[in-house]
Amino acid sequence: GAGVSQSPSNKVTEKGKDVELRCDPISGHTALYWYRQRLGQGLEFLIYFQGNSAPNKSGLPSDRFSAERTGESVSTLTIQRTQQEDSAVYLCASSADRGDPTQHFGDGTRLSIL
Amino acid sequence: TQLLEQSPQFLSIQEGENLTVYCNSSSVFSSLQWYRQEPGEGPVLLVTVVTGGEVKKLKRLTFQFGDARKDSSLHITAAQPGDTGLYLCAGEDRGSTLGRLYFGRGTQLTVWP
Repeated sequence: GAGVSQSPSNKVTEKGKDVELRCDPISGHTALYWYRQRLGQGLEFLIYFQGNSAPNKSGLPSDRFSAERTGESVSTLTIQRTQQEDSAVYLCASSADRGDPTQHFGDGTRLSIL
Repeated sequence: TQLLEQSPQFLSIQEGENLTVYCNSSSVFSSLQWYRQEPGEGPVLLVTVVTGGEVKKLKRLTFQFGDARKDSSLHITAAQPGDTGLYLCAGEDRGSTLGRLYFGRGTQLTVWP
């Protein structure tokens, strides 16, 4: 597609459930990023992929969070045993490669934990 | 600890006024970017500045990167209601293995007609 696509756009789930968030980057972009944005806050870096590998996963807030990327395209962010503090907008961005500072963002998934 | 501090956090002005928002850090960045974000959407890149002292103009918006590459400002002339949004600055550290951008918390600008 022309831009970064994220799904679902909204997700409401009960505390304790697992959720999967999907990101389709711009075709050909090798670098992919996940961020979390809480209400009234800036963007909190979660993880970065170069191709299919994640050089550093230290941005993930706990071991309940994991992410993978297959085929140098689609990425999935999984949150297990969700907690209310996980409620936020999860944003995905891609760039042509690691050397390109321009990141193109999707519109995010708004996650609400009841 | 917030690496990039933006000020003011909120700004509410009348159409036609000028304004400046600031992005400050004690760290040096390889480049600095400004994004605008509207409700329900992802941030959209406005400009990237890479050279200390660089000034870029985008219509009524003027962006400046500090000489030491630690801070930046965004000046809007004759603001319009369409300028309303959350303005985010983000710094890039090419020395980082994370390949990440460091974002400020943003300045929420509201321009009233």
